Amino acid sequence: KQEVTQIPAALSVPEGENLVLNCSFTDSAIYNLQWFRQDPGKGLTSLLLIQSSQREQTSGRLNASLDKSSGRSTLYIAASQPGDSATYLCAVRTHNYGQNFVFGPGTRLSVLP
Amino acid sequence: SAVISQKPSRDICQRGTSLTIQCQVDSQVTMMFWYRQQPGQSLTLIATANQGSEATYESGFVIDKFPISRPNLTFSTLTVSNMSPEDSSIYLCSVASDTFYEQYFGPGTRLTVT
Repeated sequence: KQEVTQIPAALSVPEGENLVLNCSFTDSAIYNLQWFRQDPGKGLTSLLLIQSSQREQTSGRLNASLDKSSGRSTLYIAASQPGDSATYLCAVRTHNYGQNFVFGPGTRLSVLP
Repeated sequence: SAVISQKPSRDICQRGTSLTIQCQVDSQVTMMFWYRQQPGQSLTLIATANQGSEATYESGFVIDKFPISRPNLTFSTLTVSNMSPEDSSIYLCSVASDTFYEQYFGPGTRLTVT
C-alpha cells in the first residue's frame, strides 16, 4: 500500500525567507506527483505536477523536485510572502494501487509579516 | 486546466437525512473522483466515477451510503445517505486530465450533520 508522509507538519517563518517542504512516499512505482495548496475551508489549488520521468518543475517562486529512487519530493518556496500561508499537500499517483491518487497529511505554513 | 463548481457550498443537515452534492465541470473529462476531508485531516478517496461505468468505491465506502451518478462527461452527483454526525466533512469533487492525469479540484461542500 502506498503511504505518503510530509515533514514538517507545521512551519512558521518570517516573510522573505526561503523554505523547503518535504514529501516522502513508500512505493517508487509512481506515475506522477502533484503539489497543491489549500486555504482554510476551501478546495485545492494545483501548484505543480511532476511526471515520473522528470526531475523538477518550476512555476514562479515555486520549484518542486522529484527523486523517485529515494521516494522523495521537495517543494521550494523562494522569498516567502504572507499570502503563501496555507496548507500544502502532495499527492502521488501510483501504478500498483489502482492508479489512484494518495495524499499526504499536509504541511501547514504560516508566513509572518 | 478545468474549472469545477460544486453545489451546495455548505449545508447543515439533520441526522438520518440525505444530501446530494452536485459537481459540474466546464469541459468533458473521463475521470472524476469524490473525496472526503474530515476536520483537520487530509483527503480520503471515496470513489472513482468514470462515465459509462459503475463507480468504483474504495475500502470503507459503500454504494448504499454514498451512491454516485455520472450521467455525462461534465457532471456527477454524490449522495450522502442516512447521515450521522460522523459524516460532517468537506466533500470534494476532482477531475483528472486524460493526458497527464493532472488533478483539478472543486471548491468543496462543507457538510455539518447535527
